[in-house]
Amino acid sequence: DIVMTQSPLSLPVTPGEPASISCRSSQSLLHTNGYNFLHWYLQKPGQSPQLLIYVGSNRASGVPDRFSGSGSGTHFTLKISRVEAEDVGVYYCMQALQTPFTFGPGTKVDIK
Amino acid sequence: QVQLVQSGAEVKKPGASVKVSCKVSGYTVSDLSVHWVRQAPEKGLEWMGGFDPEDGEIVYAQKFQGRVTMTEDTSTDTSYMELSSLRSDDTAVYYCAVFGDGTDAFDIWGQGTMVTVSS
Repeated sequence: DIVMTQSPLSLPVTPGEPASISCRSSQSLLHTNGYNFLHWYLQKPGQSPQLLIYVGSNRASGVPDRFSGSGSGTHFTLKISRVEAEDVGVYYCMQALQTPFTFGPGTKVDIK
Repeated sequence: QVQLVQSGAEVKKPGASVKVSCKVSGYTVSDLSVHWVRQAPEKGLEWMGGFDPEDGEIVYAQKFQGRVTMTEDTSTDTSYMELSSLRSDDTAVYYCAVFGDGTDAFDIWGQGTMVTVSS
């Protein structure tokens, strides 16, 4: 199984400031089609997860452009250019290259 | 616009089975790849299985093999997840989610169903 790790696991943020989360996989997530099968989700308190970024760098429908994803192979990064209060919650990376699909442990983002 | 509405909370005794439903609207369930993800209290997300369109079959996580069955009823556009031989550590919120063919990710999620296993 592909093991996903994230850092940090807890991230206190200041509104208006940037934030960054790292995700690493135990093997390359680069598909033969050229896309990295790495996705980012945000689970706001009391809600279901929602897709933020798919295949490494594509924003899902309706996701603000302050969110961006980058990386390839085994190392990926989610960046928030200017954090807003509504961005609090737990961020998960997930690999969908092969089953079993696996998630990172999550990064809890809250306001300082 | 695809929407997923799940059945209500369940309380079960150890050893029992639970069947959670996921009603699809805005689309036909047979045209979707529906998966199931669970989340134990204060824990992370765990994929259980789902429909693999490349193989045309349901794929289950090895951890749940023999205990989980995922089915669909095309007449009601509903997907089901049944978990048997329940244990206390099966206490979790169970989500259905659609694996989008344009995103290759879970782009639509149900609201979740809390299953509590307690004697």
